[in-house]
Amino acid sequence: ETGVTQTPRHLVMGMTNKKSLKCEQHLGHNAMYWYKQSAKKPLELMFVYSLEERVENNSVPSRFSPECPNSSHLFLHLHTLQPEDSALYLCASSQERNNEQFFGPGTRLTVL
Amino acid sequence: GQQLNQSPQSMFIQEGEDVSMNCTSSSIFNTWLWYKQDPGEGPVLLIALYKAGELTSNGRLTAQFGITRKDSFLNISASIPSDVGIYFCAGSNTDKLIFGTGTRLQVFP
Repeated sequence: ETGVTQTPRHLVMGMTNKKSLKCEQHLGHNAMYWYKQSAKKPLELMFVYSLEERVENNSVPSRFSPECPNSSHLFLHLHTLQPEDSALYLCASSQERNNEQFFGPGTRLTVL
Repeated sequence: GQQLNQSPQSMFIQEGEDVSMNCTSSSIFNTWLWYKQDPGEGPVLLIALYKAGELTSNGRLTAQFGITRKDSFLNISASIPSDVGIYFCAGSNTDKLIFGTGTRLQVFP
């Protein structure tokens, strides 16, 4: 596979469930990002990892927990989410932090 | 957080027409990027601009990096139905990448 991939593409979960979103980049990039995109709102940057270290956390609630085990993989662990957390979650990567970012197809999350 | 002002918010045009949209900021950026997002997909990078005054084309798309480094423009010539989507600008410096609010384009045959 090439580029940035995300799994699953769609996820429906209850408020008490625990699930994880996965992102994988095949571009040899050093930085990875999680964004949240809600209807009629701008892209919201959630987390930034550079060389596997978290370098930015934009006041995201603790029910979202990122993990970057290596430079190619990024996870977003979800637990006890709220219905307002329903959104498209996008992963991106770039060669260096804040350079041109390449996005994955996103995971459409619905919290019931 | 900081946002870029992107206009228009939405456009409804007829196939074959040319389209113009722009992005403005109160901050100076070193790089301007333009993305297109199709429904249910992630944004795809269309054009990257690195120098004030730079004019770059990608097929029917042309983008310009404003001289003041605070704005950028995207033009689409002879629009076709597959141009439908949301177009985002993004301004980048070494410490941040800021996205615009998007322009939603609808093309009618």
